[in-house]
Parts: sequence; structure tokens; C-alpha cells
Amino acid sequence: DAGITQSPRHKVTETGTPVTLRCHQTENHRYMYWYRQDPGHGLRLIHYSYGVKDTDKGEVSDGYSVSRSKTEDFLLTLESATSSQTSVYFCAISVANTGELFFGEGSRLTVL
Amino acid sequence: GENVEQHPSTLSVQEGDSAVIKCTYSDSASNYFPWYKQELGKRPQLIIDIRSNVGEKKDQRIAVTLNKTAKHFSLHITETQPEDSAVYFCAASMVEAGKSTFGDGTTLTVKP
Repeated sequence: DAGITQSPRHKVTETGTPVTLRCHQTENHRYMYWYRQDPGHGLRLIHYSYGVKDTDKGEVSDGYSVSRSKTEDFLLTLESATSSQTSVYFCAISVANTGELFFGEGSRLTVL
Repeated sequence: GENVEQHPSTLSVQEGDSAVIKCTYSDSASNYFPWYKQELGKRPQLIIDIRSNVGEKKDQRIAVTLNKTAKHFSLHITETQPEDSAVYFCAASMVEAGKSTFGDGTTLTVKP
């Protein structure tokens, strides 16, 4: 599992509330990613990070922010959750110069 | 940015038959083309990949072919088994950039 853990694994929240998802890795990988998975849309990149305090937007970044203050933790924040953000969120790491992604187990978020 | 299209979205085959899934990509700079398998309720996992300097790669019952001129690549599964039933995703990326763009997925069902 490349030492990746996500928390929480399941969360139900209400529209307008803030939500933070955590991705933790134990193998000192530089590259980390947040994807969302929705039926019919595959995996879409939200934000990614190339190192501590070095982050950039992906293709579906609106409504999301990220932070990486330590190599091992990559946080995804929904400042004010909306029903359209109901999804399964996957964190991933890639080993430098290989391209292969290793995914966490996913976090299922339901926004009512 | 990169755009990846994947077909078909669903595929049903009889056990023992072959299955073929096709993807096209738009960015000629992409040089890494992985395939991920996702079983129900689990994380995506890499099953095979190919780099732009290779035209074909095999691993037991699975193979991937790449046509860089036409910008398409395909996954071939021979002698399908019920345990091959899953969602398969193709992706394209530049290894140096570290980001992967995914197709929308193919749900493969292998009927015993």
C-alpha cells in the first residue's frame, strides 16, 4: 500500500460546513496527489504537490484548497461543502521518475 | 492540457474470450501510459504500463500496445476469468511533470 493512509474513511456532512481530508504517507515520497472519483468521470485531479509548501491546481480545483506543511501529510480542505462535492476522494503518491501512482484506500464524502 | 478518451464504457465477455479496451490521448508530449484495475470498493492498482519508446508489452494474459503516431493505446486481456471483472482505467502522463490524466473507465464483466 506504499504506506498511505487516508482519514476519515467515511464522512457525512451538511452543505456549507468545512471539511478536511488527510493523507499521510510514511515513505518520504515527494509527489502527492488528490483525485476525486465519480461515476462516469473516472479519476479527476484536484490538486497536487511536488514538496513541502509546493502545490498546484489540477483540472477540478474550484472549491478545494490544499496544504502540505510536512512531507508526510497532504491535506485537502473543502471550505464550504456543497452537494456536488459528494464523491470518493483518493490520495496518491508517485515514486519519482517512474510515473506509477499508488493510491490510498479512499475517503467517501457525502454532503447532504 | 491532456485529454484521454476511453472506449467502451462497458464490456461483457464470456469466460475464456479476449477483451480489448482502447484509449486515445491528445498531448504528443505524453510518454507514460499505465493501466489501472479497480475492484469494487477498492483502490485502483497498476496492472501494466508502457513507455513511449516501446510499442508493445506483455505480462502473462495481459498486453498493452501503443501507437504514438495515432496517439492511441490499447489493453488486451486474453483467456478472461471471472476475477478479471473490474473497472479498468487508462491514463497518460509525462513522467517528468508527475501528473496523470485518466480515461473515464471501462467496466468489464466476465461471465462464467
